[in-house]
Amino acid sequence: QVQLVQSGAEVKKPGASVKVSCKASGYTFSTYGITWVRQAPGQGLEWMGWINVHNGYTDYAQNFQGRVTMTTDISTSTAYMDLRSLRSDDTAVYYCARTSYAMDVWGQGTTVTVSS
Amino acid sequence: DLQMTQSPSTLSASVGDRVTITCRASQSISSWLAWYQWKPGKAPKLLIYKASSLESGVPSRFSGSGSGTEFTLTISSLQPDDFATYYCQQYKGTFGQGTKVEIK
Repeated sequence: QVQLVQSGAEVKKPGASVKVSCKASGYTFSTYGITWVRQAPGQGLEWMGWINVHNGYTDYAQNFQGRVTMTTDISTSTAYMDLRSLRSDDTAVYYCARTSYAMDVWGQGTTVTVSS
Repeated sequence: DLQMTQSPSTLSASVGDRVTITCRASQSISSWLAWYQWKPGKAPKLLIYKASSLESGVPSRFSGSGSGTEFTLTISSLQPDDFATYYCQQYKGTFGQGTKVEIK
């Protein structure tokens, strides 16, 4: 079946970087985009950006410009989200989602905790 | 930047009630709007795409309408499994702030 499986929870110190992976299976990886969304504790959903898997084009939310990089490895059907210069308010659950007309298949989420 | 505004923020309702949630965009987004349901500890679930298209497997009591800047999500007869938070989202962009549907 179609699924996205994300990497495990991370604990990072302020100023560090985190790289979350999202492995796709059950469909042709390059025919869909991947969106990254996060949810901080007690907060709503926040769109971080999107990558066109076929050509590598990215579109990042203004809030994350310069701090986030989204990439993919088509050979392993895996998407990556790299977030740098972490702050305490980056503590959140990070989701990847398959994207075409909308985000129809989601990963299980990766908890990233930023704490000194 | 395009903003998405949902109302109400919280809605108290009973099983069997008809429920309507509104989402307004700060500029026209044609029909490029989706609705998601979120429950704590779970990933969001796509309900509606392109403003009014029902995602496969989603119960027909959910419906969406609207275009341009004003959109609605309607649940025709609220069921116990529907108590959750609902988000609108412009295509590949901003989410609304969410509407929590609570038990009255």
